[in-house]
Amino acid sequence: QLQLRESGPGLVKPSETLSLICTVSGGSISTSSYYWGWIRQPPGKGLEWIGSIYYSGSTYCNPSLKSRVTISVDTSKNQFSLKVSSVTAADTAVYYCAREGAVAGIFDYWGQGTLVTVSS
Amino acid sequence: EIVMTQSPATLSVSPGERATLSCRASQSVSSNLAWYQQKPGQAPRLLIDGASTRATAIPARFSGSGSGTEFTLTISSLQFEDFAVYYCQQYNNWPRTFGQGTKLEIK
Repeated sequence: QLQLRESGPGLVKPSETLSLICTVSGGSISTSSYYWGWIRQPPGKGLEWIGSIYYSGSTYCNPSLKSRVTISVDTSKNQFSLKVSSVTAADTAVYYCAREGAVAGIFDYWGQGTLVTVSS
Repeated sequence: EIVMTQSPATLSVSPGERATLSCRASQSVSSNLAWYQQKPGQAPRLLIDGASTRATAIPARFSGSGSGTEFTLTISSLQFEDFAVYYCQQYNNWPRTFGQGTKLEIK
């Protein structure tokens, strides 16, 4: 059974960089059938797609965040990662990693999510 | 960016009754529309893709319909475990976008 798990600091100071890793188990990240994505959800609010990466390293990011977001993949560790720079309180959210179909961009497997709070 | 608008924001329905949730896209997304269910403290769960295809292990009481810009999720006979927040998502274009959600609550 495929599992995804987010890890990283739960507290980040304003203006610093948020860094998260998603570890995939039960399946290989190096598959042509899927992208690997990040989605976030501010407390009490809806879902926002941040971006997705292919095992080759090709990325697609939300234009609203693109200038601050870096997504990378480490196929040797079966992991992909997210960095969001210059964070503010508006970046406080539960961050999810998820598997996204390469043909149909549906998110069929999700991590449990990790809360990242931006505060001094 | 395609804007997804869900209505109503909150829907109050009694167990055993039918619930109908709507999702509208700001431009055509063909049938590239998914529905998710989210319970408190949990990640979203995929219910429907291709506007009308149930995902693995999703009960038959969940059905989706629509194409283009207008979509509907119907839950035919509500069970207590169905009370949750429901999101639609388009995957016709980048960026992927979600609706703001419909909270289905017990009446």
